Amino acid sequence: QKEVEQDPGPLSVPEGAIVSLNCTYSNSAFQYFMWYRQYSRKGPELLMYTYSSGNKEDGRFTAQVDKSSKYISLFIRDSQPSDSATYLCAMSGDGNKLVFGAGTILRVKS
Amino acid sequence: KAGVTQTPRYLIKTRGQQVTLSCSPISGHRSVSWYQQTPGQGLQFLFEYFSETQRNKGNFPGRFSGRQFSNSRSEMNVSTLELGDSALYLCASRSGGSDTQYFGPGTRLTVL
Repeated sequence: QKEVEQDPGPLSVPEGAIVSLNCTYSNSAFQYFMWYRQYSRKGPELLMYTYSSGNKEDGRFTAQVDKSSKYISLFIRDSQPSDSATYLCAMSGDGNKLVFGAGTILRVKS
Repeated sequence: KAGVTQTPRYLIKTRGQQVTLSCSPISGHRSVSWYQQTPGQGLQFLFEYFSETQRNKGNFPGRFSGRQFSNSRSEMNVSTLELGDSALYLCASRSGGSDTQYFGPGTRLTVL
């Protein structure tokens, strides 16, 4: 079993929809949780970072962490075609070595 | 501030050869980590360097090695290349007082 599980998709939604992306993990030592966005042939771009349970909002993005359930989510409101990319969850116990999910391919159709 | 830069962006090598990849971190960042990304295994941690010292290492064979220079620039070397080493190699930098890592565009290595 992988330490971090993420549905690879693809997830296809119409423009303007609310998108929900999720990851589960098994390692209780994980304290830092990140979401990265990766466009084709580019490096991952940091979207959200949190280290506590609860919600964190930044513009159209909301990151949610539930440590008791070992479950994290990323919500994208008013999705745009430019949001089409691969979304990677990543987590760490010490802030150094990141463990990534497989990535979810998101397609937003106009 | 300029982002993380990696050179070269693309490389084609043959089995048995060796390769060296370079990474320049964001100015002021002293930590550099390397990751391998493949369609089958996703993103996997290779190693991390901080102030010229390797602090953490992933589960890769000894053919994969790295080093960091006094200006924080880092190089990664892969010896005796195998077909399975074909991947996107990503470098990420982090400032000493932060937990967030910023990635470069990667070097795409193809082994024939």
